[in-house]
Amino acid sequence: EAGVVQSPRYKIIEKKQPVAFWCNPISGHNTLYWYRQNLGQGPELLIRYENEEAVDDSQLPKDRFSAERLKGVDSTLKIQPAELGDSAVYLCASSLDPGVYTEAFFGQGTRLTVV
Amino acid sequence: AQKITQTQPGMFVQEKEAVTLDCTYDTSDQSYGLFWYKQPSSGEMIFLIYQGSYDEQNATEGRYSLNFQKARKSANLVISASQLGDSAMYFCAMRGLSGGSYIPTFGRGTSLIVHP
Repeated sequence: EAGVVQSPRYKIIEKKQPVAFWCNPISGHNTLYWYRQNLGQGPELLIRYENEEAVDDSQLPKDRFSAERLKGVDSTLKIQPAELGDSAVYLCASSLDPGVYTEAFFGQGTRLTVV
Repeated sequence: AQKITQTQPGMFVQEKEAVTLDCTYDTSDQSYGLFWYKQPSSGEMIFLIYQGSYDEQNATEGRYSLNFQKARKSANLVISASQLGDSAMYFCAMRGLSGGSYIPTFGRGTSLIVHP
């Protein structure tokens, strides 16, 4: 069974440019997460989806970040415009459900460098 | 609010020895899950082991075991018979119900280096 797939793996952009990340979760997983991981830190949740609905986006900087999950499967995370402080690894994860006892599986992440 | 604390920025262990990575947590929830992930230099977070707050027995998965002490709010990861491939960052995480939503929270991680 395929795991969580993310693309691109690496992205270098100039500040003020837009950038988008794509995530394909494990088949059948209704819950999808986007995390940001700064250097030397643990992942921090940006947004969580239950099927197509964004149910937890309190940590998403909505002035420049947006996300969507069409048809409750693939998801994209966009930053426009990017700032130097957005340099980080963006991780996507999925799980069968959001329950406290359900493990989440992660993709390999997208390493973003804003110059 | 939930909080995960990993007090060991780095740990060293000799190959074939056992090592314990510490994790303490803080939550007011009665029902929660505790997870450990491994993150090698490639960047992917690999799920290792999970413990439910109501589980009475410590979780085990192969060479990984979780030393769960609920009263002390600790969930330490024990890796037995360390291998060179165990060198990686290790993150403790929990998921509990907060404000009507299940919020996953991660610690800052512990870097483990296994030397021959």
